[in-house]
Amino acid sequence: DMKVTQMPRYLIKRMGENVLLECGQDMSHETMYWYRQDPGLGLQLIYISYDVDSNSEGDIPKGYRVSRKKREHFSLILDSAKTNQTSVYFCASSSGTPNSDYTFGSGTRLLVI
Amino acid sequence: GDSVTQTEGQVTVSESKSLIINCTYSATSIAYPNLFWYVRYPGEGLQLLLKVITAGQKGSSRGFEATYNKETTSFHLQKASVQESDSAVYYCALSDLNYAQGLTFGLGTRVSVFP
Repeated sequence: DMKVTQMPRYLIKRMGENVLLECGQDMSHETMYWYRQDPGLGLQLIYISYDVDSNSEGDIPKGYRVSRKKREHFSLILDSAKTNQTSVYFCASSSGTPNSDYTFGSGTRLLVI
Repeated sequence: GDSVTQTEGQVTVSESKSLIINCTYSATSIAYPNLFWYVRYPGEGLQLLLKVITAGQKGSSRGFEATYNKETTSFHLQKASVQESDSAVYYCALSDLNYAQGLTFGLGTRVSVFP
């Protein structure tokens, strides 16, 4: 079963704490993504990973970093979380080829207080 | 850059009535991008509803249809008779020539179906 799995589903952190969001996929896809989704703003691209240790900034990378040490895992890290990073975060993967599908995880709802 | 426009942020419709969600697009690197509709049901993640990669073609899934209209650069989503279970947020999206760059999404349309 082709799947993107995100952990945790829900997370509450205090301002200034570090946050680690994890994403895994079982499709051996080369390309993975992190998006955030806010009401009225749609989904915004934070980072792209083309493969292990090959990452690129998306449209809103400020305040985030990523790590991809294995093809199947892609982590999003918030060093010193801010309240404006409260959001729903979606991970996705694709084969990175023309006409590819993009498979999304169930999302992580992060609340920074 | 690329853009996807969904004009309605929220739509309310009675069960068994028809639904149309408008979507227009603009792609800078390619004349005919791949077009997608995703859906997010309450409490769930983002699911692919349908995808069309050829201009002029129609995609369909779960009773929904969308036709890729290159003349009007539109990809409206329609359903003839909605059910309460269709209540969700619907996102139109495109991928262009830089397909590895991911999807460009519209802002989403929240559909509420009441009995």
